[in-house]
Amino acid sequence: EPEVTQTPSHQVTQMGQEVILRCVPISNHLYFYWYRQILGQKVEFLVSFYNNEISEKSEIFDDQFSVERPDGSNFTLKIRSTKLEDSAMYFCASTRGTGRQGIGYTFGSGTRLTVV
Amino acid sequence: DAKTTQPPSMDCAEGRAANLPCNHSTISGNEYVYWYRQIHSQGPQYIIHGLKNNETNEMASLIITEDRKSSTLILPHATLRDTAVYYCIVRVDGSARQLTFGSGTQLTVLP
Repeated sequence: EPEVTQTPSHQVTQMGQEVILRCVPISNHLYFYWYRQILGQKVEFLVSFYNNEISEKSEIFDDQFSVERPDGSNFTLKIRSTKLEDSAMYFCASTRGTGRQGIGYTFGSGTRLTVV
Repeated sequence: DAKTTQPPSMDCAEGRAANLPCNHSTISGNEYVYWYRQIHSQGPQYIIHGLKNNETNEMASLIITEDRKSSTLILPHATLRDTAVYYCIVRVDGSARQLTFGSGTQLTVLP
């Protein structure tokens, strides 16, 4: 079964450093997402991406965050200057599209980001 | 998207059916009921969705009441691997908008 692949599985970074989280969505999917989950809290939406641009973003997704699809397969989330409160699991997700094709979102296994 | 209400936790004996309820009394006519689950620290996993008819797939069954104000996810023969947080999400189909996760129901399958 096709999977969404995320790397690395765990990243530790110093406060103030830049991090890039990487995702390879399912190949025929068109919509891509980043979510995060702080330990013990709800899964929170960050951003959605379609046709090479952001289609929706949450209040969490401020100027410190950016997303990019640098080639035909990767989808990245960059945090420019990490803060302690950015420590969380970050999940990438993708879906084929709208209508009956958009049956469900496929999530990756996540990247655990620890900011120290 | 309509708001949902789920019990915070439930237990189920291994091999028995797990019935997870969800209230969505403000659901509108074009909103579907989706179920996802999250096994500890893993990414959420899509289970099933439906509009008004009952649905069944290899993972579960979804029973939606006639007035569509509530639904039940049924895992027919729960195993220890079904221990997870189960999320009921109501949203318009045909939309690639974000999923909004609530607190869900922590299902614990007991040996």
